Amino acid sequence: DTAVSQTPKYLVTQMGNDKSIKCEQNLGHDTMYWYKQDSKKFLKIMFSYNNKELIINETVPNRFSPKSPDKAHLNLHINSLELGDSAVYFCASSQDTLTGGGNQPQHFGDGTRLSIL
Amino acid sequence: AQSVSQHNHHVILSEAASLELGCNYSYGGTVNLFWYVQYPGQHLQLLLKYFSGDPLVKGIKGFEAEFIKSKFSFNLRKPSVQWSDTAEYFCAVNDNYGQNFVFGPGTRLSVLP
Repeated sequence: DTAVSQTPKYLVTQMGNDKSIKCEQNLGHDTMYWYKQDSKKFLKIMFSYNNKELIINETVPNRFSPKSPDKAHLNLHINSLELGDSAVYFCASSQDTLTGGGNQPQHFGDGTRLSIL
Repeated sequence: AQSVSQHNHHVILSEAASLELGCNYSYGGTVNLFWYVQYPGQHLQLLLKYFSGDPLVKGIKGFEAEFIKSKFSFNLRKPSVQWSDTAEYFCAVNDNYGQNFVFGPGTRLSVLP
């Protein structure tokens, strides 16, 4: 069984469209994350939720809005897509937060490759 | 603003060689430090993290990292690499409030069989 699953795996769309990427984890974890990796492999954390509450919100355009309906899901909605949004987006989950003292590992999804035409 | 540098862009080793990947950060306050690995085909994994206490941190797959506060460094080590360690390695740091999470540019490790 997949622990962290993201859908879709690939997303090709035009500039200006609105799209969502879904993420679900079946590990019972309390914390979920979204990361972005651009074409130069530069990684950036975008958001983190703990028990449906936003705890990390890095400098990300307002067009990006995470939504956590329950602690097993963290979806990412992007409005008015731009060329620079082309990247691979990774979802992850962990039992504790990044600043928690535990050694629980993060589990990552396989990524969603978003391509903007 | 925080920044993270990784000394080597690409490291090539033979199997059984010892590995050390450099990571330096710039932030004067208390930090949390991380090493991530990304295998070919994109799969990301957290190798280890440091919060406080013993500056020598043991991670998964035989990796360890040492936090040297005076040098602002958090180098990753493994005594004997395997072909399956071929991957991209990212160092990351955030401040103790959990914000300002910054990744380094990554080091590509190629292990020759």
